[in-house]
Order: sequence, then C-alpha cells, then structure tokens
Amino acid sequence: AQKITQTQPGMFVQEKEAVTLDCTYDTSDPSYGLFWYKQPSSGEMIFLIYQGSYDQQNATEGRYSLNFQKARKSANLVISASQLGDSAMYFCAMRRSGGGADGLTFGKGTHLIIQP
Amino acid sequence: NAGVTQTPKFRVLKTGQSMTLLCAQDMNHEYMYWYRQDPGMGLRLIHYSVGEGTTAKGEVPDGYNVSRLKKQNFLLGLESAAPSQTSVYFCASRTGYTQPQHFGDGTRLSIL
Repeated sequence: AQKITQTQPGMFVQEKEAVTLDCTYDTSDPSYGLFWYKQPSSGEMIFLIYQGSYDQQNATEGRYSLNFQKARKSANLVISASQLGDSAMYFCAMRRSGGGADGLTFGKGTHLIIQP
Repeated sequence: NAGVTQTPKFRVLKTGQSMTLLCAQDMNHEYMYWYRQDPGMGLRLIHYSVGEGTTAKGEVPDGYNVSRLKKQNFLLGLESAAPSQTSVYFCASRTGYTQPQHFGDGTRLSIL
C-alpha cells in the first residue's frame, strides 16, 4: 500500500525566509506522481506543484520548488521568500496505483504559520 | 469560470436520514472523485469515476454510494447517515494522467 508521511505537524517561519516542508513517500510502483496542495483557512484546496517519478529535473512553479530525492523517497516543498499569505495547511499527495486504482493518497499535512 | 461546484455547502442531518451531495464540473473532465476530510487528517478517497457510467471504490467507501449518469455530474449518497460520517466532503476532477485534480469548495456535513 502507498503511504505519504509529513513529519511536521506545524511550523512557524519569519516572513521573507525560505521554508522547506517535508514529505516522504512509500510505493513499490516505479511510475508515480507527487502533488502538493495548499489549503488556506477558507478551506479550498489549491494545487501548487507536480513531480513525476521519471522527470529529470525538479519541478518549479514561481516561488515553489520541489526538492525531489528519489533514492530517499522524499519530495520536499520549498517556498522561497515566504509571505503572510502563505500561512495555510500544506498537503503532499501521491497518485494511487496498482490494480487500476486511481485518485490521490494524502499525507496528514503541515500547518505553516508565517510571522511578520 | 465555475470549475467544480458542490451543492450544498452546509448540511445538518439526523442519524438515519439520507441525502445526496452533488458535484458538477464544467471542464469536460473524464475523472471525478469524492474525498472526505476529518480534523487532523488529510483527504481520504471515498469513491471515484473514470468516465460516465463507471464508478469504483476508494479507501473508505463503506456507507456511501455514488453515481455518474452524466459526464459532468458525480453524486455521493448517504443512505442512512451516521455520526461517524460527520466530515467535510470534497469533490474533484481532472483531465490527463499527470494533471492535477481541481477541487470544489467542499460541503460541511454534520450528523447529529
């Protein structure tokens, strides 16, 4: 079975600092996809970034980048120059696979608070 | 741009009552999903559909049924609501295999 582990329940970071949110995963499938979502206090789920297991380069999207270390099975999200609006829950997720399965398996999330 | 629309946004039920949550997407997506989110947890997949007329079980399907009679709609039913089904329910849809899922704003459901 696939599993996503986010070991940081909560983080406090000073505004303008860089932030790294940890995500480790477990899968036996050689082909997989990893996603990061942001959930602000208003509740909606906002897609941030995607990394495929065969992608040669680490994914980047604006201030978001993914530190993908395949051998370690980690896919950490890096937010550069944090802003007050980055305060939210952040979820790492993996595409389900095996036996025709579909959908995402989510970690429990990290609650990020940006302090002025 | 409507995207994924969930109806209703809030609902309170009594134990044993039934109800249907509606998800509608206007992006012509083949794949649709229902998740639930409980406090301190990530989202967990209830059921999903890979196309009109097809449905499949996710991680936590017990107590729920789904139907996808039209491509744009995915319905989640609770036949006999239980307090353990108190949760926030999210619908999502996607297009290609590497594409992200687009989420609705969620339905907050309380079972008394």
